[in-house]
Amino acid sequence: DVKVTQSSRYLVKRTGEKVFLECVQDMDHENMFWYRQDPGLGLRLIYFSYDVKMKEKGDIPEGYSVSREKKERFSLILESASTNQTSMYLCASSLLGQGPNYGYTFGSGTRLTVV
Amino acid sequence: EDQVTQSPEALRLQEGESSSLNCSYTVSGLRGLFWYRQDPGKGPEFLFTLYSAGEEKEKERLKATLTKKESFLHITAPKPEDSATYLCAVPWSNDYKLSFGAGTTVTVRA
Repeated sequence: DVKVTQSSRYLVKRTGEKVFLECVQDMDHENMFWYRQDPGLGLRLIYFSYDVKMKEKGDIPEGYSVSREKKERFSLILESASTNQTSMYLCASSLLGQGPNYGYTFGSGTRLTVV
Repeated sequence: EDQVTQSPEALRLQEGESSSLNCSYTVSGLRGLFWYRQDPGKGPEFLFTLYSAGEEKEKERLKATLTKKESFLHITAPKPEDSATYLCAVPWSNDYKLSFGAGTTVTVRA
C-alpha cells in the first residue's frame, strides 16, 4: 500500500514563527499536494507539484511556500505563522494522469495551532 | 467555475436506518468523481471512483451512483462504524487537481 507520512500529528507554534510541515510518500508518485481543511470550508488546495523542483499555486497560496527537492518529499512552509493559519493540513500524492490509479492517497494530517 | 456541493452537511441515523448523501457538481467534461471517507483526526481514505453516468460501485454497506449532474452515496442498514465524514471530489475541468466538497458528516447511533 502507498504510504504518505506527515512528520507531525500535532504542532503548536507562536505567531511569527517559520513553520515547516514535512510529507514523504513511498510509491514514486509524481504528484504531491498540500491542502488545508477547516470546518464548513472543506479541503482547499494550497500548493501542488508535478515533479521535482516544480510547484504551482492552488486556491490559497498566500502566506505559504513549498519545496520539492526530491521526488518523495514535499514540504510546506509557513513563512511567518499567523493565527488564521490554525488548521488541519493534509498532504496527498497521486500518479500522473487519470484512470483507476488516479485517486489521491492522503497522509494522516497535521493539526497546527498558532498561538 | 468548477464547484462541488454536498448535502446534507450532517446526517444522524439510527443503526439500520438506510439513507443517501448527495454530491452535485458543475464541471464540463467530467473525468471522474471520487468518494472518500474521513474519520475524525485522520486523512481521507479513498472509497470509489465513478467515471460515467449510470455507473455504480459497492463496498460493504455503501453504494455510489453517478448521473450527469450528481452522485449519490447510499448507506444501507448502517452500523455505528459507518460514522464518518464522507467527501466527494472531481478533477478540475482543465487539469488533474481535485476539487472537494465540504463533506457530509454521518453519525450512526446504536
